Amino acid sequence: AQSVTQLDSHVSVSEGTPVLLRCNYSSSYSPSLFWYVQHPNKGLQLLLKYTSAATLVKGINGFEAEFKKSETSFHLTKPSAHMSDAAEYFCAAGGNNRLAFGKGNQVVVIP
Amino acid sequence: SQTIHQWPATLVQPVGSPLSLECTVEGTSNPNLYWYRQAAGRGLQLLFYSVGIGQISSEVPQNLSASRPQDRQFILSSKKLLLSDSGFYLCAWRVAGTGDTQYFGPGTRLTVL
Repeated sequence: AQSVTQLDSHVSVSEGTPVLLRCNYSSSYSPSLFWYVQHPNKGLQLLLKYTSAATLVKGINGFEAEFKKSETSFHLTKPSAHMSDAAEYFCAAGGNNRLAFGKGNQVVVIP
Repeated sequence: SQTIHQWPATLVQPVGSPLSLECTVEGTSNPNLYWYRQAAGRGLQLLFYSVGIGQISSEVPQNLSASRPQDRQFILSSKKLLLSDSGFYLCAWRVAGTGDTQYFGPGTRLTVL
């Protein structure tokens, strides 16, 4: 079975500063990995995914994530936070027809 | 292109009343379909998934049931709602055999009073 750990349930960043959201996974094989974003009372939107191609994955809205097998990590970054980035972010690991989600990071952007 | 619909968008129901939430997908055939629930502060919980018409897998024993009467329709039901059924219900779909990516609907906010 796979599991995903997201530390720092709440993250505050100042507008214009970098964003770093950490994700670690546990799996018996190299899983597919995903980051989703959820704005209040909305569904989840796919930001980016890793599926065993390039380890540095670029997504929408300037986000990117790097797969590091040795660290079992898939951290999400963005160089400069924008007010519209305020949302909840979920990391997920795929396998066996389903996704295992982390508990999410609630991101607050301070003007 | 594919789209996914959920309705209603919001619902307020009394304890003990029945429930029916509907999810439909357009633009794809034979999708895998999923129901999730988000309760306050508890992340995403997979409730049911389906790989085809009439095929339902239940992930967590509970007060809810699911059905898939048509290829692109997935229904979440309850005979008698509990207070603990309140939450945000999300439907998702995936193209079988093409990876694990799931695409989510807009969700239904259910409040049980």
